[in-house]
Amino acid sequence: EAGVAQSPRYKIIEKRQSVAFWCNPISGHATLYWYQQILGQGPKLLIQFQNNGVVDDSQLPKDRFSAERLKGVDSTLKIQPAKLEDSAVYLCASSEPLRTGDNSPLHFGNGTRLTVT
Amino acid sequence: KQEVTQIPAALSVPEGENLVLNCSFTDSAIYNLQWFRQDPGKGLTSLLLIQSSQREQTSGRLNASLDKSSGRSTLYIAASQPGDSATYLCVTSGTYKYIFGTGTRLKVLA
Repeated sequence: EAGVAQSPRYKIIEKRQSVAFWCNPISGHATLYWYQQILGQGPKLLIQFQNNGVVDDSQLPKDRFSAERLKGVDSTLKIQPAKLEDSAVYLCASSEPLRTGDNSPLHFGNGTRLTVT
Repeated sequence: KQEVTQIPAALSVPEGENLVLNCSFTDSAIYNLQWFRQDPGKGLTSLLLIQSSQREQTSGRLNASLDKSSGRSTLYIAASQPGDSATYLCVTSGTYKYIFGTGTRLKVLA
């Protein structure tokens, strides 16, 4: 099966500019996640979608970050305006629909490395 | 609240050694536990997934075990190679969704 696709692979922007990342999950995976991973740290969940609805966005800095999954498939994550501390790898992951007692495995994309200068 | 800890945080071994990475979790009500490897600046690659009803899983030189009652999982790597150098993460899934461990940074010296 095709894996989780992300683009771009790398992005360098200046602070206060905007940037957008794209993710296409594995076909049939209803649940999609965006993680932020700062160098030397573990992934931090930014937002979780179930189909096109938001399940958890408690750690998303909503003043500058936004995400959407309009048709319940592809998703975009946007940062506007970017700050230096947003430099990180942004990871997209997907899984089959969450079912009580049998969470399915997570599948990750290759990530987008963002550098804000 | 689930907390997942990995020990050691970093490990350096000579090529050919067998090694064990440890993962501890505080809430035993998990559905499964997954081990990933991550190369610097890259995404996470799934290595093994153990369902809550299973005790272990094997893939090539890797063997992962799960003891829910004690809240522990181990990843055993046999005959380590320089290509095994990476960060290894364990992830639990359950009521609290996916919770990531703190990671073990492994370096295998040629």
